[in-house]
Amino acid sequence: GENVEQHPSTLSVQEGDSAVIKCTYSDSASNYFPWYKQELGKRPQLIIDIRSNVGEKKDQRIAVTLNKTAKHFSLHITETQPEDSAVYFCAASGNYGQNFVFGPGTRLSVLP
Amino acid sequence: NAGVTQTPKFRVLKTGQSMTLLCAQDMNHEYMYWYRQDPGMGLRLIHYSVGEGTTAKGEVPDGYNVSRLKKQNFLLGLESAAPSQTSVYFCASSPSPKNIQYFGAGTRLSVL
Repeated sequence: GENVEQHPSTLSVQEGDSAVIKCTYSDSASNYFPWYKQELGKRPQLIIDIRSNVGEKKDQRIAVTLNKTAKHFSLHITETQPEDSAVYFCAASGNYGQNFVFGPGTRLSVLP
Repeated sequence: NAGVTQTPKFRVLKTGQSMTLLCAQDMNHEYMYWYRQDPGMGLRLIHYSVGEGTTAKGEVPDGYNVSRLKKQNFLLGLESAAPSQTSVYFCASSPSPKNIQYFGAGTRLSVL
């Protein structure tokens, strides 16, 4: 089955700097790659996603890149703000429910 | 439009007791999921359903049972609770596995 690795597990950046979180997946059949943000004590919420027919997607300060050949994808957050502090999860999904697998998460702290 | 609603929000059980967690969605989604989230770990899939009357095992199904008698409801049952089942449980729904998963607010379960 699918296996998703995520690095780093924790990340601290100064406010205004950029943050990058990287994920790798194992199943070449996976074709949907969402990113979720989970604030402390809250539910995970989708922030951006990318499908396998696209190499890059951007939404304001957030961007995701996908390298299908290397089987890795990355989340980029520019001009970080304190409210970006949260745990971020990547995930990979194929065509069936069981193949939707989350990475272990990255705890991002944005220092003022 | 309430989205995904989980009940209860908190529960304390003694070892060996049973309980049922209810997940209800009002978005007419076919796919529904139950996850558990332990401290420092990601979301692990317990069971999922691809439609009314269907269920399937996820990554960590042992000790849990599920039912989807109505399209809008997905029930998670613990027949004989164990301390290892202390966790936060999230329900999610999605129109397909290649689409956004909408999460409920979670149920914090402690088994003593």
